[in-house]
Amino acid sequence: QSILTQPPSASGTPGQRVTMSCSGSSSNIGKYFVYWYQQVPERAPKLLIFRNNQRPSGVPDRFSGSKSGTSAFLAISDLRSEDEADYYCAAWDGSLSGVVFGGGTKLTVL
Amino acid sequence: QVQFQESGPGLVKPSGTLSLTCGVSGVSITSHYWLTWVRQSPGKGLEWVGEIYHSGSANYNPSLRSRLTMSIDKSKSQFSVNLASVTAADTAVYYCTRRPGDCIGGSCPWFDPWGRGTLVTVSS
Repeated sequence: QSILTQPPSASGTPGQRVTMSCSGSSSNIGKYFVYWYQQVPERAPKLLIFRNNQRPSGVPDRFSGSKSGTSAFLAISDLRSEDEADYYCAAWDGSLSGVVFGGGTKLTVL
Repeated sequence: QVQFQESGPGLVKPSGTLSLTCGVSGVSITSHYWLTWVRQSPGKGLEWVGEIYHSGSANYNPSLRSRLTMSIDKSKSQFSVNLASVTAADTAVYYCTRRPGDCIGGSCPWFDPWGRGTLVTVSS
């Protein structure tokens, strides 16, 4: 069982906006920045969001992140078929002195 | 271009030791980064295995700490992981990557780049 909790699945139709959550605790999300990764099948994860809401160069502004207390959120607007992937949140955990990941949310574009 | 490349046996017997190496190119292995292993069991999520700094200092996942050893070979620009007493639960794709040695806001899981990953199966 992952330290960070994510819903196992999410779905939407093209053009829609989808939001997924990541729930943690005061030792991780409550204290440190949250990062989000996108992983398509058979590929390594790709950094999508850093420091809660910042996008690396090349990531479309359709992707946005936010954080409130011990939860974080990833929103994808104007959903496209190529957004179908697994999405993972990650944070440092001060109690474990290590990185913790969420279990991942599988996004299906209907 | 910074590249990470995993190598090692794809099959390990139960109770044996899993040993993998990550070759680093395009950047000095002594740069200010934690060199990290992340694994992913088939159909499952990502799991942080552990990391090593060029000084030799290491952080390990508490759930693996008793079986885990990491090392770094600066002369070969590579770092390695050894996981002892493996079981089928250790079957996974193992990725090597790196995260910054210091970050705004404290330690951060900013992993980039990633190797392509290598599947290690534990089976007799």
